[in-house]
Amino acid sequence: AQSVTQLDSQVPVFEEAPVELRCNYSSSVSVYLFWYVQYPNQGLQLLLKYLSGSTLVESINGFEAEFNKSQTSFHLRKPSVHISDTAEYFCAVSDSGSARQLTFGSGTQLTVLP
Amino acid sequence: EAGVVQSPRYKIIEKKQPVAFWCNPISGHNTLYWYLQNLGQGPELLIRYENEEAVDDSQLPKDRFSAERLKGVDSTLKIQPAELGDSAVYLCASSLKQAGELFFGEGSRLTVL
Repeated sequence: AQSVTQLDSQVPVFEEAPVELRCNYSSSVSVYLFWYVQYPNQGLQLLLKYLSGSTLVESINGFEAEFNKSQTSFHLRKPSVHISDTAEYFCAVSDSGSARQLTFGSGTQLTVLP
Repeated sequence: EAGVVQSPRYKIIEKKQPVAFWCNPISGHNTLYWYLQNLGQGPELLIRYENEEAVDDSQLPKDRFSAERLKGVDSTLKIQPAELGDSAVYLCASSLKQAGELFFGEGSRLTVL
């Protein structure tokens, strides 16, 4: 079984500042890793994913995450945030042998301040 | 292409009443999920279907919750009777059989009074 820990429940940051949302996972097998974003009153949307290959993955809106196997981490970063990035961010993990069974973290609320 | 469609978006009922939620997944997606999301928490899996077969329902409270996906397409999640602690958002998601990405609906928010 896998588990996910998101260390910060709330992260306030000023517009155009950099941000890092932390995610650590626990698993005894190889994993796939995901970041989902949830805007108010909406469903979750996939932001980026690591399945294999390059450990650094990027989204189309400037976020990136790096898979660090030794530290069992998959932190999400953005060098300069916008007001529109305000949302709840969820890290998730699945067993790579059964990619459809996702386990989610408890989420990090990112609030971008003007 | 239409996304995952859920209804109703909001439902308010009194405790001990029944309630049902409906989900229509993305066309062609074999796998359908129902997740429970409590306030301030991440989604937790209730049940997963592969076509019409429930392959993982270990977290579904079977004394009051039931689900069906009769023709392997849309699905219904039912609670009978509802309790105060069932107040939450019920999320439906679907995926292609061998893909790692889940596509979520907007959720059904249940309030039990």
